[in-house]
Amino acid sequence: QSALTQPRSVSGSPGQSVTISCTGTSRDVGGYNYVSWYQHHPGKAPKLIIYEMTKRSSGVPDRFSGSKSGNTASLTISGLQAEDEDDYYCCSYAGTYTLRFGGGTKLTVL
Amino acid sequence: EVLLTESGGDLVQPGRSLRLSCAASGFTFDDYAMHWVRQAPGKGLEWVSGISWDSGRVGYADSVKGRFTISRDNAKNSLYLQMNSLRPEDTALYHCAKSMGERVEQTLHYWGQGTLVTVSS
Repeated sequence: QSALTQPRSVSGSPGQSVTISCTGTSRDVGGYNYVSWYQHHPGKAPKLIIYEMTKRSSGVPDRFSGSKSGNTASLTISGLQAEDEDDYYCCSYAGTYTLRFGGGTKLTVL
Repeated sequence: EVLLTESGGDLVQPGRSLRLSCAASGFTFDDYAMHWVRQAPGKGLEWVSGISWDSGRVGYADSVKGRFTISRDNAKNSLYLQMNSLRPEDTALYHCAKSMGERVEQTLHYWGQGTLVTVSS
């Protein structure tokens, strides 16, 4: 069970857009619509941002959007704000009642 | 308000056992699947185990299969993780998480703050 592949870090200036990719296989990301994204500060409870590939969780601004193409899911954050600086994780159902996380991406707002 | 409160974390020696608990409130517990997710120091999130609303379907990460057992008591609104044959690499903050629905495959929606497990001699 290898982790889904995410870039270790991404960065952008306030107001810009960044995209975080999450690459898996046909046995996880490519095979199911249960792909989600979380914002996480270590030691705290992760916060759900996107679920079922494209749906925004309640209260999440529309600056956050999700998509999927083949075995790769993506999280795009537009109009970057300083408060967006955090760790982001993708997660996918991987069959037989198992889930799989990505390795996490550290977003830096320059 | 959904509230998930983990307990049971401790410092234990390799090879020993530990049982984690998660007390749930603010929602109808037996309508939802539940999960355990951990984060080792300096590492990313790792899904550990999940259980459906009726305990009929359970899943485990390969790293814990055969050593950890997930269970739930719907009458007590509680989730458990029995951890046996603990290894130093099991050292982590363990989070309890509520699913969006009754099935294991559905999204992890709400999370607890976690309980710390340290495995060391």
